Amino acid sequence: KNQVEQSPQSLIILEGKNCTLQCNYTVSPFSNLRWYKQDTGRGPVSLTIMTFSENTKSNGRYTATLDADTKQSSLHITASQLSDSASYICVVSAGNNRKLIWGLGTSLAVNP
Amino acid sequence: DGGITQSPKYLFRKEGQNVTLSCEQNLNHDAMYWYRQDPGQGLRLIYYSQIVNDFQKGDIAEGYSVSREKKESFPLTVTSAQKNPTAFYLCASSSSRGTSTDTQYFGPGTRLTVL
Repeated sequence: KNQVEQSPQSLIILEGKNCTLQCNYTVSPFSNLRWYKQDTGRGPVSLTIMTFSENTKSNGRYTATLDADTKQSSLHITASQLSDSASYICVVSAGNNRKLIWGLGTSLAVNP
Repeated sequence: DGGITQSPKYLFRKEGQNVTLSCEQNLNHDAMYWYRQDPGQGLRLIYYSQIVNDFQKGDIAEGYSVSREKKESFPLTVTSAQKNPTAFYLCASSSSRGTSTDTQYFGPGTRLTVL
């Protein structure tokens, strides 16, 4: 069964600190993996997309990694800001199927 | 200002009534999607359309209907047959015809509450 699991479910950090969010997937055949940021009450916004051959991709203070062998991805946030408070969702695409497998997200709160 | 718009942002309906959620995009995207988001669950695909006058059921299409008469518009009707319609509804679009490498761009969402 295709699944995407994220951890932790929620996380609280202080402004300026770094954090790492995890995504494990059992999706086959793997096509690509995306990280989305979703502010409360808003639509998700794409942060990164990685294919099988990519193992690191950065977008400003966000750096995503992908280990296709262990089927794990992480999203590292550097020097967190209050505006980083949001839900971060990992999404995996299987083969050429336009259906995406969505994780439940990690809810991040950055406190001053 | 380009993007995807959804209206209204909040919608209330009485049980047994049909209601239509609007989704418009000016990104010239071919593909459009409707998702439903409930607390503690991932996004679930309701319907998608790869081209005008064509659409396909997603994972939870029962109780919903759509139309795609124009490239820019993909309205979703929540019918009285939908047993648990209270949810946050998200519309998205992507540039090519729904291949797996597309990035989907989302609207701001409509929160529907059934009274």
